[in-house]
Amino acid sequence: NAGVTQTPKFRILKIGQSMTLQCAQDMNHNYMYWYRQDPGMGLKLIYYSVGAGITDKGEVPNGYNVSRSTTEDFPLRLELAAPSQTSVYFCASSYGEITNEKLFFGSGTQLSVL
Amino acid sequence: AQSVAQPEDQVNVAEGNPLTVKCTYSVSGNPYLFWYVQYPNRGLQFLLKYITGDNLVKGSYGFEAEFNKSQTSFHLKKPSALVSDSALYFCAVRLYSSASKIIFGSGTRLSIRP
Repeated sequence: NAGVTQTPKFRILKIGQSMTLQCAQDMNHNYMYWYRQDPGMGLKLIYYSVGAGITDKGEVPNGYNVSRSTTEDFPLRLELAAPSQTSVYFCASSYGEITNEKLFFGSGTQLSVL
Repeated sequence: AQSVAQPEDQVNVAEGNPLTVKCTYSVSGNPYLFWYVQYPNRGLQFLLKYITGDNLVKGSYGFEAEFNKSQTSFHLKKPSALVSDSALYFCAVRLYSSASKIIFGSGTRLSIRP
């Protein structure tokens, strides 16, 4: 059981470039999330999705876009990368039902924008 | 607005001593509260959660947490610390009425000295 898989693990971008961070889960979870982790700042919610075709903004959505065409995949798109987007990005998923609430995290993508 | 605070950036404890990692929250409704742990270069792992019922919740690796509604706190505790407990710990909150948003604190680095 692979759980939550994120690719790539590391990436360096130049200012103004674009890229897509991939996230896939094989647990049939309805809910998926993207967080960014900055040193000393904890995790900030970028976007989340409660099911295929449904997405919504989190705390820090500016500069990012998401889509959820299938239950398994939840890619995060960075358009016009900026140095402020240098961070570690984590994808997570869960069943969403509170009695079974537990986030499963991927291993992260470390992104540097230079 | 929904928020969670971890007032200590770092907690240092000698092995064998009890440990406490503090967390306070601010929500307008009934909170669901969580603790996650992050080891170096890894994604977060679930430790425990409070949904309802007994204020003392037991979780993985011998950790427990006490929910205190009057003080809006959810402190993580362990009676006897191990060196292997050294990691980054995150408190998180989800609103009862929100099926999706899970907000994290800034994290507390726990260091256990032999």
